[in-house]
Amino acid sequence: AQSVTQLGSHVSVSEGALVLLRCNYSSSVPPYLFWYVQYPNQGLQLLLKYTSAATLVKGINGFEAEFKKSETSFHLTKPSAHMSDAAEYFCAVSWGNDMRFGAGTRLTVKP
Amino acid sequence: GAVVSQHPSRVICKSGTSVKIECRSLDFQATTMFWYRQFPKQSLMLMATSNEGSKATYEQGVEKDKFLINHASLTLSTLTVTSAHPEDSSFYICSASNLAGAGNTGELFFGEGSRLTVL
Repeated sequence: AQSVTQLGSHVSVSEGALVLLRCNYSSSVPPYLFWYVQYPNQGLQLLLKYTSAATLVKGINGFEAEFKKSETSFHLTKPSAHMSDAAEYFCAVSWGNDMRFGAGTRLTVKP
Repeated sequence: GAVVSQHPSRVICKSGTSVKIECRSLDFQATTMFWYRQFPKQSLMLMATSNEGSKATYEQGVEKDKFLINHASLTLSTLTVTSAHPEDSSFYICSASNLAGAGNTGELFFGEGSRLTVL
C-alpha cells in the first residue's frame, strides 16, 4: 500500500536551532514528493518538491529536503529556525494525479 | 505561478441550509480539482476528485448527496454542503492540477480554504 508517514506530530525548537521534520513514504515506485506549510486558517503553500531531478532540493524560506531512495525518506531541514517558521508542515506524495498527505507536524519555535 | 482562489473564506449558516463554496483556477485550466476536509489539528482528508464535465469521484465514507460537487468548466468547481448540520463545520480546501504545464509532476495548487460554521 502506498502511504506517507510523518514522524512526530509536534516538534519544538529554539530560535536559531536546526529544524528537522521527518517524512517517510511507502511505495514500490518512487513518487513525486512535496513539503507544504500551512498557517492558521489558510490553505497550503508549497515549500519545495522533488520530481526526480536533484536529490537535494532547496525551497523557499531557507528550507531544503533530501530524497533518499534507500531510506524512502524526504526529511525537511532548515539550519536556523525563525519565529515565523512556526506553522503546520505536511509531507505529501504523488504518483501523477493522486496526492496523499502525511498527518502533519506542528513546528513550535521558542524565543 | 498557478493560482487557485476559493470563496468564501468564511461562512456561517443555520442548520438545515445549504452552502456553496467555489474554487477557481485563475491562470490555468484545471481538468481535475480535488476537495479536502480538514478537522482541527489534523491532516487533509480527500473527499472527492472532480473532473471537468463528468461526475465527481467520492472517497469511501463521503456522502455524495450531502456534498454535491460540480465541475462545469475548466476553471471552476463548486462544493455544495446540503442541509448542513453542526457536524459539517470544518475547514474545506480545494486544489487543482495543472496538466498543461511542462510535464505532470503531480503538483497541486491549493486554494486558501473555506471555514464553514454551522449553527
